[in-house]
Amino acid sequence: DAKTTQPTSMDCAEGRAANLPCNHSTISGNEYVYWYRQIHSQGPQYIIHGLKNNETNEMASLIITEDRKSSTLILPHATLRDTAVYYCIAAEGGNKLVFGAGTILRVKS
Amino acid sequence: GAVVSQHPSRVICKSGTSVKIECRSLDFQATTMFWYRQFPKKSLMLMATSNEGSKATYEQGVEKDKFLINHASLTLSTLTVTSAHPEDSSFYICSASAGLLQHFGDGTRLSIL
Repeated sequence: DAKTTQPTSMDCAEGRAANLPCNHSTISGNEYVYWYRQIHSQGPQYIIHGLKNNETNEMASLIITEDRKSSTLILPHATLRDTAVYYCIAAEGGNKLVFGAGTILRVKS
Repeated sequence: GAVVSQHPSRVICKSGTSVKIECRSLDFQATTMFWYRQFPKKSLMLMATSNEGSKATYEQGVEKDKFLINHASLTLSTLTVTSAHPEDSSFYICSASAGLLQHFGDGTRLSIL
């Protein structure tokens, strides 16, 4: 599985958009980009995934660069409940997920 | 959405006992289930992958005789920590997969005294 690189931590003001970057420069053609988040003492929660095209669901948007070497997760209107560790993972569909350190997102009022 | 139930959520037991953790997919059939452990302030570490009806595949460094995994049906996998010791204390998390996505349970916090 391709390695991903994320900033250690980010702050975001409540109500503003949170943009979380991820680099996956060695991603292969059949690997998806998955985003999960983990709130303290809970299991990871699925957010969104994509292969080539940008994706949007009720939680977030995923922007993938044309060369697929990086992506950005966008939470359009961050709330305090969005404070969590966000994991970006590159993996083949259905295969094991290798978690890195992730980004600690702190949403502040 | 897909729901994965993990039980128990918390367990405290004496050193030397065995502890069983259950992972159930409630509204879908999981072809594959995964087991992770997580130490405080660390990321999730994959322990093993199990497919229904076959032996689990363990990650390097994970003792298969210590962490017994059974995947008897498409909706149930169990992890048994045998002869548990204080160093086995951790947060254990399962996930279930059917297709592209993995859905995670809420974890089991295991404390060995």
